[in-house]
Amino acid sequence: DIVMTQSPDSLAVSLGERATINCKSSQSVLYSSNNKNYLAWYQQKPGQPPKLLVYWASTRESGVPDRFSGSGSGTDFTLTISSLQAEDVAVYYCHQYHSTPYSFGQGTKLEIK
Amino acid sequence: QVQLVQSGAEVKKPGTSVKVSCKASGYTFTGHYMHWVRQAPGQGLEWMGWINPNSGGTVYPQKFQGRVTMTRDTSISTAYVELSRLRSDDTAVYYCARDQGLGYLPDYWGQGTLVTVSS
Repeated sequence: DIVMTQSPDSLAVSLGERATINCKSSQSVLYSSNNKNYLAWYQQKPGQPPKLLVYWASTRESGVPDRFSGSGSGTDFTLTISSLQAEDVAVYYCHQYHSTPYSFGQGTKLEIK
Repeated sequence: QVQLVQSGAEVKKPGTSVKVSCKASGYTFTGHYMHWVRQAPGQGLEWMGWINPNSGGTVYPQKFQGRVTMTRDTSISTAYVELSRLRSDDTAVYYCARDQGLGYLPDYWGQGTLVTVSS
């Protein structure tokens, strides 16, 4: 099974500053046949279901602000929020859909400093 | 617009079963797999499997095999998950989530159903 590990567990960033969340998979989530990384990022606010932000490691979901960006390949990935807004306070999860059982990171709680 | 509306909260005793429903609208129900994901209180997300609403085919992780059953009723665009032999650590919010269709990736999620297992 692929284990997803995020860092840090929590993060406090000032409004307008950059926030960076890391995710490491225990095995590569890159399919060589199509050169796609089966890695997604979700945002979850209290009392709400997760919201898809990024898939294929770096493709932004429709309607997601361009301050959110994903990068990385193989086993190491990053979600970056270029300029933190108050509405970005949430827990962020990385998710691998490369192989079953699909799995999520433990989550990173993002707060305002 | 895509909507997934789940059934209401449940309180169950250990050893019993629970069945949660998820009614889909705004898209072709049989055209997208449906995932089920659960989240224990204050914890992370756990994938429980998916169902192909067109064929009824399912994939469950080993952890849940023998205890989980996913079904669907295409006539009313509704998916179901049933979990048997409930334990206290099955207490969680259960989400249905539509597969995006590009890879086995949930995009739209239901509002969640809280299942509490307590004696």
